[in-house]
Amino acid sequence: NAGVTQTPKFQVLKTGQSMTLQCAQDMNHEYMSWYRQDPGMGLRLIHYSVGAGITDQGEVPNGYNVSRSTTEDFPLRLLSAAPSQTSVYFCASSYSRLAGTYEQYFGPGTRLTVT
Amino acid sequence: SQELEQSPQSLIVQEGKNLTINCTSSKTLYGLYWYKQKYGEGLIFLMMLQKGGEEKSHEKITAKLDEKKQQSSLHITASQPSHAGIYLCGAVTWGTGTASKLTFGTGTRLQVTL
Repeated sequence: NAGVTQTPKFQVLKTGQSMTLQCAQDMNHEYMSWYRQDPGMGLRLIHYSVGAGITDQGEVPNGYNVSRSTTEDFPLRLLSAAPSQTSVYFCASSYSRLAGTYEQYFGPGTRLTVT
Repeated sequence: SQELEQSPQSLIVQEGKNLTINCTSSKTLYGLYWYKQKYGEGLIFLMMLQKGGEEKSHEKITAKLDEKKQQSSLHITASQPSHAGIYLCGAVTWGTGTASKLTFGTGTRLQVTL
C-alpha cells in the first residue's frame, strides 16, 4: 500500500490563480480530511468527508472547495489563491467514518506559497 | 475558535527529566489522538485513547484520558533528544448528522537539551 499520497510537494502561486491539491489513499478508507498548518496554529480542519459524495466543512473552509467522487480521492481546490492561504496542507484518512475509532493516516504534506 | 487548548505551548527540558503536556477540550470528547511532528516533516501517530480513564504507553511515553475533565495528558519519562519535536493532540467531536470530525490543538513544541 502507498498509504496517503499528496501532490504536489511544493507549489508557488500568484494571487488570484487557482489550483487543485491532490490527495489519494489506497486503503479503502471512508474518512478523509484536509488540514492546514500555520506557524503557532497547530492543525486546522478545512473540510472532511465520510464517504463518496459526502463532504462537510471544518473550522476554516472559506476559500476552499472539495468534492469526493470516489472513495480513493479527495482533492482540495483553491479557486482564487490569496497570500493568507500560504501554508502547509496535510491530507488524512481513516478506516471508519467515525473519526475516533481508528488511526488517522497523514500524507507527507504540500507546502504552498502564494505571492 | 480553537476547541482544543494545549499547555504549555513550548517546553525546554534537560535530557533525563520527566515532562507532562496537557490537552483540554471545550467540548465533549469521543476520542483523543496524540501525534508527534519532527520540525518540517509529517505527523507520526503515537496513540489513540477512546474511553475515560484509558491509559496507554509507547516506549517512554504515556497518555491518559480524563473524560469528565475533557482532558488528556501526555507524560514523557526520562526525556531524550529523540523526543524533541511538536506534540499535537487531536480530539474527536461530533460533526453534523452521524459523522464525527477530528480537530487539533495548537501543539506543544518540545526541546530537549543535553
